[in-house]
Amino acid sequence: DQQVKQNSPSLSVQEGRISILNCDYTNSMFDYFLWYKKYPAEGPTFLISISSIKDKNEDGRFTVFLNKSAKHLSLHIVPSQPGDSAVYFCAASAGRYYGNKLVFGAGTILRVKS
Amino acid sequence: DAGVTQSPTHLIKTRGQQVTLRCSPKSGHDTVSWYQQALGQGPQFIFQYYEEEERQRGNFPDRFSGHQFPNYSSELNVNALLLGDSALYLCASSLGDRDQTQYFGPGTRLLVL
Repeated sequence: DQQVKQNSPSLSVQEGRISILNCDYTNSMFDYFLWYKKYPAEGPTFLISISSIKDKNEDGRFTVFLNKSAKHLSLHIVPSQPGDSAVYFCAASAGRYYGNKLVFGAGTILRVKS
Repeated sequence: DAGVTQSPTHLIKTRGQQVTLRCSPKSGHDTVSWYQQALGQGPQFIFQYYEEEERQRGNFPDRFSGHQFPNYSSELNVNALLLGDSALYLCASSLGDRDQTQYFGPGTRLLVL
């Protein structure tokens, strides 16, 4: 039962251009969404989050968009830099309903070419 | 400000053995969650500890158990290890119900032979 899906296993982008990573979810109880970046041999690093009461959240080069009706969120990175090359995970939480556990997608490998 | 720390970084065990992994949460955090990440997959939730009690559990057998200490640090114990338990074990800390954002440690890589 894959409640959070990242359908693109990998994405390749030229340095300076926009990277768009997508995520779909099925559980309507999810009310908080997060993006993490992971380098090999390291733990996931928190990037940005969004509550279900919002449809957009920005932090520097990172913007997350949430479309609740489509149960879809996306992470935009502008401009992309070679150091952004990593695995990106989308995660969702249903808060106290699920004890605040995070449900993760399988990840998308982003490669930023210089 | 120290982040989440985990020990050991790597571990090799044989089938049937038992293992204990340790985690210290980020300063000020009182909730610890454990995840298992198999190769090519996203992290899977094992369980969460708050106020020294297991508050939520994922779809993992009873061979997986844990503990939280009064200083909020935590241990994950796995008994009767199977080859399929080989994975990266991640600990994450958070502020309980006050903030759903979880911050992860570097993980412990467990190899079961």
